[in-house]
Amino acid sequence: SAVISQKPSRDICQRGTSLTIQCQVDSQVTMMFWYRQQPGQSLTLIATANQGSEATYESGFVIDKFPISRPNLTFSTLTVSNMSPEDSSIYLCSVEGPRAGTQYFGPGTRLLVL
Amino acid sequence: EDQVTQSPEALRLQEGESSSLNCSYTVSGLRGLFWYRQDPGKGPEFLFTLYSAGEEKEKERLKATLTKKESFLHITAPKPEDSATYLCAVQTSYGQNFVFGPGTRLSVLP
Repeated sequence: SAVISQKPSRDICQRGTSLTIQCQVDSQVTMMFWYRQQPGQSLTLIATANQGSEATYESGFVIDKFPISRPNLTFSTLTVSNMSPEDSSIYLCSVEGPRAGTQYFGPGTRLLVL
Repeated sequence: EDQVTQSPEALRLQEGESSSLNCSYTVSGLRGLFWYRQDPGKGPEFLFTLYSAGEEKEKERLKATLTKKESFLHITAPKPEDSATYLCAVQTSYGQNFVFGPGTRLSVLP
């Protein structure tokens, strides 16, 4: 399975600021996914990021709020822009596994917005 | 709308007390159903994939089964290290996206 790391592991931010979360994979992957997991809730897909193309956002998520970069096959970033307390959540990146439909997840970034 | 529900929300078992977790889904077409385990402070860890009704997968004390409307995760003689949140997710046949259920928090007491 792929080894995925995320930076930062946690952060406390002020309202109105932005935070960029990094996701690094130890192997080349085509598809990377960004999820949000709000306190006590399950995972919600934010967007799918393929290398060399624009990210595809799910309903309710927009590029201006969550810009994503995918500069190569092992790295991606998610920025949470103009943050509000409602953005407090765990943000997870994942990659597609070798078997169709399987995913491997990073450890997550715990964000608290004051 | 595609939906995934899980029950119970939380489950406490004594060590060795077998039980089952339920995942019910409503989708237009199922490509696959997935079970994950999530420990506190960590990302989900992949357990099983099930693709068609009647399919079963086993790993140590865990066994996953699938019908046309639901999946069960059976835990036989659980140990405290099995304590975690168990998530199920479905992937629809018309898209690549995944819909996750809310999870079942399992606590196994020694």
